[in-house]
Order: sequence, then structure tokens, then C-alpha cells
Amino acid sequence: DGGITQSPKYLFRKEGQNVTLSCEQNLNHDAMYWYRQDPGQGLRLIYYSQIVNDFQKGDIAEGYSVSREKKESFPLTVTSAQKNPTAFYLCASTRPGDSGANVLTFGAGSRLTVL
Amino acid sequence: KQEVTQIPAALSVPEGENLVLNCSFTDSAIYNLQWFRQDPGKGLTSLLLIQSSQREQTSGRLNASLDKSSGRSTLYIAASQPGDSATYLCAVMTTDSWGKLQFGAGTQVVVTP
Repeated sequence: DGGITQSPKYLFRKEGQNVTLSCEQNLNHDAMYWYRQDPGQGLRLIYYSQIVNDFQKGDIAEGYSVSREKKESFPLTVTSAQKNPTAFYLCASTRPGDSGANVLTFGAGSRLTVL
Repeated sequence: KQEVTQIPAALSVPEGENLVLNCSFTDSAIYNLQWFRQDPGKGLTSLLLIQSSQREQTSGRLNASLDKSSGRSTLYIAASQPGDSATYLCAVMTTDSWGKLQFGAGTQVVVTP
């Protein structure tokens, strides 16, 4: 079945450590996104990529980095520069078109906790 | 900057009642508006997508309306069931930020048996 796989589901990190969250999709989607979700808040966009080897900052990119070396993969690194990294991280993808009728498909999420 | 608001933040209804969830947005220049469902600790599942040229979309017991001029969308869920308990989020894609969604904070719904 096609879908988005995020790993790990749960991750604990000590302060000062970098961690990388994995996002893999087999939907043949061109565009991929990383969102952060905090309790009681909507999702906020961290980074997005519309084609391989290209990505743009979202609204809250500081302290995060990404790469897009393959169409299927869009890993997110949470660096030690991120001041408040404890959150639920969601990866999504879609196939861009001109109609505006592009539904985003989401992964199951990764919950990061800083100890 | 587009701002999306969902009121109420939480809602509890007895089984069988109709649910009405509201979403408002500040910039009417949108490509589309989407409604998602999120179960606790899970990812988002797309329920309905309304393109800017449409007034409403329907899927089973779900109906979503869109009024761009007033910056509002409403999600109706008929004859609610306990399995409808979840958080419902709306998200807007604006014409000057194609591909990027602006999300509301969501409405947490509890349907009691």
C-alpha cells in the first residue's frame, strides 16, 4: 500500500544533541513537507520541498535542517540550536498540479522529547 | 499573513446529534480549504477538500461549505457517533503561498454514547 512512513515514532534526546527524523513516501509525490505540532496549536510549517535537491524554509525553520537527495525521502534534523524542540513532528506529501485540488497525505508522526 | 481560527476549541455532544464545526480565515485569496481529522497521537487524515471555485463538498455524513467572501467554512457531521470523537482541523492554501497550508488550532470533539 502507498503511504508515508515516519520513524522513529518516539524519540528522546538530551539537550545539545542533534537528532534526525526520517520520512519516506512511496506515493510518487513531488512535494514533501515537515510540520511541527504543539498542544493546543495548529500545525506550523518547518521546511518544504517541491522537487529533488531543492527545499525552502517555512515559518519556523530556525534550528532545523533538511535534505532532499531522493524523491522518496525528506529527512529532518533537529539541531541543538532549536530552543524548544519537544513537539510532535508530522511529514506530508502531495503531487502538485494546477487545479488546486491537491490533498496532502500525512505520516503517523514522530514525537520528540528533550530530557 | 493568513490566519485561521477554529471555534470552539472543544465540543461535547451526545450520540445522534449533528455536529457543526466552524473555521474562519482572514485572506479570501485562497486556492482551497481542507478539513482533516486527527486521532490522539496520530497523523492527519484528509476528510474533504473544497476548491476556491466550489461552495461545498460532501462525503457520506460529512458536508463542508465554503464562503470565501466572508472567510468562513463550516463542517457538518450528521448523526454523530462515538467513533467521530477526534480533533478536526481546517487548513487553507492561499494563492501567494502555493503548496503551503495554514492550519487552525483544531476543534476537539467528544461524542458520548
